[in-house]
Amino acid sequence: DAGVIQSPRHEVTEMGQEVTLRCKLISGHNSLFWYRQTMMRGLELLIYFNNNVPIDDSGMPEDRFSAKMPNASFSTLKIQPSEPRDSAVYFCASSLVRPGQGRKLFFGSGTQLSVL
Amino acid sequence: DAKTTQPPSMDCAEGRAANLPCNHSTISGNEYVYWYRQIHSQGPQYIIHGLKNNETNEMASLIITEDRKSSTLILPHATLRDTAVYYCIVRAYNSGNTPLVFGKGTRLSVIA
Repeated sequence: DAGVIQSPRHEVTEMGQEVTLRCKLISGHNSLFWYRQTMMRGLELLIYFNNNVPIDDSGMPEDRFSAKMPNASFSTLKIQPSEPRDSAVYFCASSLVRPGQGRKLFFGSGTQLSVL
Repeated sequence: DAKTTQPPSMDCAEGRAANLPCNHSTISGNEYVYWYRQIHSQGPQYIIHGLKNNETNEMASLIITEDRKSSTLILPHATLRDTAVYYCIVRAYNSGNTPLVFGKGTRLSVIA
């Protein structure tokens, strides 16, 4: 398995532009997490899905952020309009949750976003 | 989930054992200890987890004290590639669908 695949690896955009980050889960996994990492705030959870359903989006900074899972293996995180303070590394992670079992997350390589 | 306390940074000589401590004094009976690490510019990587018995895998060993209030991750022969931030996370095993919350971790520097 290729692991969790994120694209693009790097994104540079101007303030006000729409940004879309993409994530392909490991085949068979049923949970998807979007995290954001900055020097100041560390690794923060933005939103997570179980079986394609958003469970908790309380970590999403504001309405400019939205995330979707159009199918069981793919997710997008969209920022519209983007702002310089959105600059960060965005990670997605997937896992397979079975009843009574713990959680092992598999992370992608991240998308380095720079908003100028 | 119980809180954890880790030293912000540690150094270790290449080839020596790296012993990374974690305090989790408020851990409850159904909570496991997980360790992840993040190598620069990569996503976090699962290392190991345990409940009360010591655990070992191909990456590391996990030693949990008898009262379970602290644990130590051991990298037996640290290499330069083990330089990373190591996160200790305590979480109920059957909490299933809820996400992991990462703290600040310990920045391990392996020195040649």
